[in-house]
Amino acid sequence: DTGVSQDPRHKITKRGQNVTFRCDPISEHNRLYWYRQTLGQGPEFLTYFQNEAQLEKSRLLSDRFSAERPKGSFSTLEIQRTEQGDSAMYLCASSPEVLLNTGELFFGEGSRLTVL
Amino acid sequence: AQKVTQAQTEISVVEKEDVTLDCVYETRDTTYYLFWYKQPPSGELVFLIRRNSFDEQNEISGRYSWNFQKSTSSFNFTITASQVVDSAVYFCALRPFLMNYGGSQGNLIFGKGTKLSVKP
Repeated sequence: DTGVSQDPRHKITKRGQNVTFRCDPISEHNRLYWYRQTLGQGPEFLTYFQNEAQLEKSRLLSDRFSAERPKGSFSTLEIQRTEQGDSAMYLCASSPEVLLNTGELFFGEGSRLTVL
Repeated sequence: AQKVTQAQTEISVVEKEDVTLDCVYETRDTTYYLFWYKQPPSGELVFLIRRNSFDEQNEISGRYSWNFQKSTSSFNFTITASQVVDSAVYFCALRPFLMNYGGSQGNLIFGKGTKLSVKP
């Protein structure tokens, strides 16, 4: 296990379609994060899991977005009824659970979504 | 407000020049962490350094050095003798300490990044 992997790397879809992204974290990491990055911007936090529990969701995560991590391993991020504004890079990151986690995250290469 | 400002959108230098990337942050917390990440064209964010707010010692790692000044809320990053492989987008990020308890444990606050181009 060499790092965080994300699939697919690129997705082109038509407005109104549903899309799902998958993230496989580093195996011993029990924390998993989703971020969104638009062109020319820094990553913005979407949601965070500790094991299978979704502990926090950003206000950016509208009702059309849902994330799961059913067995505390891989995670999926689904976007329903996509809109052109959803076009972005969706980044997954993981980290180990350590006392006073200092925030170093290990990122995947991202899944780029283009909504036509 | 919690905020990170990277005023330099793009910087272009010639190989072997030194370059400094600026980062200014805002936070209500007295304890916090600061980070630099590198994002090469492949897209994967790569961790470079973490600093605690109570440790203002500057750090050097090879050609990289970081200057943390609490008095000016700045955490600047210098690359000495730049190389073409340093070309990337560099992000400064903030994680307030209070986010460790009860509140956000996932929220790194990133700046907008500085795109560095090193030309041969």
